[in-house]
Amino acid sequence: GENVEQHPSTLSVQEGDSAVIKCTYSDSASNYFPWYKQELGKRPQLIIDIRSNVGEKKDQRIAVTLNKTAKHFSLHITETQPEDSAVYFCAAPRASGTYKYIFGTGTRLKVLA
Amino acid sequence: DTEVTQTPKHLVMGMTNKKSLKCEQHMGHRAMYWYKQKAKKPPELMFVYSYEKLSINESVPSRFSPECPNSSLLNLHLHALQPEDSALYLCASSHRVSSDNEQFFGPGTRLTVL
Repeated sequence: GENVEQHPSTLSVQEGDSAVIKCTYSDSASNYFPWYKQELGKRPQLIIDIRSNVGEKKDQRIAVTLNKTAKHFSLHITETQPEDSAVYFCAAPRASGTYKYIFGTGTRLKVLA
Repeated sequence: DTEVTQTPKHLVMGMTNKKSLKCEQHMGHRAMYWYKQKAKKPPELMFVYSYEKLSINESVPSRFSPECPNSSLLNLHLHALQPEDSALYLCASSHRVSSDNEQFFGPGTRLTVL
């Protein structure tokens, strides 16, 4: 069945440290993997995404890696800042049948100043 | 305009009321979505419209009735809701319904059912 597992559910790091969040998906045909950041009371906003034809993508302090063989992808945030504190959701669109996003359960990241 | 807008921001309604949520985008997207999000949970898909036609209904109770009057607008009509329907209702859009399209989310309507 369709499933996206996300770990950890909560993560606290000291300002300046790195944070890593991992997601595992089940649909081997999935070909697009976005990461959304949702601050309290705000909308989910795309922060980075990766397509299945590449293994890594970086945008300043944020990077995403994809391991298609193992069916997992990870979000890496370096030099964390207090404004990085939010809930992060991964998604792995179901690529067979009717297309829809399957969201992970979310990771609450707290960056401690 | 690169945003999805939603009105109202907040809505409080009784179980016998009829109300509507509205969503609008002017990015030329032909796929629009309604999600429901409970506190500390991921968005949960309710409906998908593709080229103004309903393409996915995730077994949503009939007290929620979607409508897509044109390619820029998406409504969600609410009738006889239950307190457990209280949640953040998010609208989203994408270029088309596809497995590799970014979805742009609106700010949501926070609904409270008394």
